[in-house]
Amino acid sequence: GESVGLHLPTLSVQEGDNSIINCAYSNSASDYFIWYKQESGKGPQFIIDIRSNMDKRQGQRVTVLLNKTVKHLSLQIAATQPGDSAVYFCAELGGTSYGKLTFGQGTILTVHP
Amino acid sequence: DGGITQSPKYLFRKEGQNVTLSCEQNLNHDAMYWYRQDPGQGLRLIYYSQIVNDFQKGDIAEGYSVSREKKESFPLTVTSAQKNPTAFYLCASSIQRQGPTEAFFGQGTRLTVV
Repeated sequence: GESVGLHLPTLSVQEGDNSIINCAYSNSASDYFIWYKQESGKGPQFIIDIRSNMDKRQGQRVTVLLNKTVKHLSLQIAATQPGDSAVYFCAELGGTSYGKLTFGQGTILTVHP
Repeated sequence: DGGITQSPKYLFRKEGQNVTLSCEQNLNHDAMYWYRQDPGQGLRLIYYSQIVNDFQKGDIAEGYSVSREKKESFPLTVTSAQKNPTAFYLCASSIQRQGPTEAFFGQGTRLTVV
């Protein structure tokens, strides 16, 4: 259902720590997943994606893990920096090659120097 | 430069008025999306379009309308039927021609009802 009235969960870490942001998705037919970063007042920016035939994908300082059994995604950020402070969203594209892109709730990451 | 452009950045509307938000992309993307974001909350899908002259309702389409007459353009009209239109509106586009790909976002339009 809609998330009206809910506020985003938060994660606070120290600079240099590793961060793990979690996301549960709802559609077992989803076959493509994306992590986005959104800074205040701006549109979301693509970080990394993963297809359902994979369970792990690595980028620069980021790793996405996919567990299809429990419909769970995670984003790991290594050596977190103050510039990583933002809201992080997972998104899923369901079932077919052409479909609607649906966003998860999001997590506010705050990195303390 | 290639990209997706939303205008205006800020928009004020009187109660009872319709208002149209612009979204243009020169990325040759097939799919386009409109999302609404309320303060401290996630993105909710209003409408999406996979191809010219076709669009589908998202999760919160009531009080909104769209058109997709050109591949590059996907304007959103917020009608007077939308009870609480004050929000941040985000437009996105993606290729999706040979399978799913990431969506690219514009910088958003902040709509305020006065």
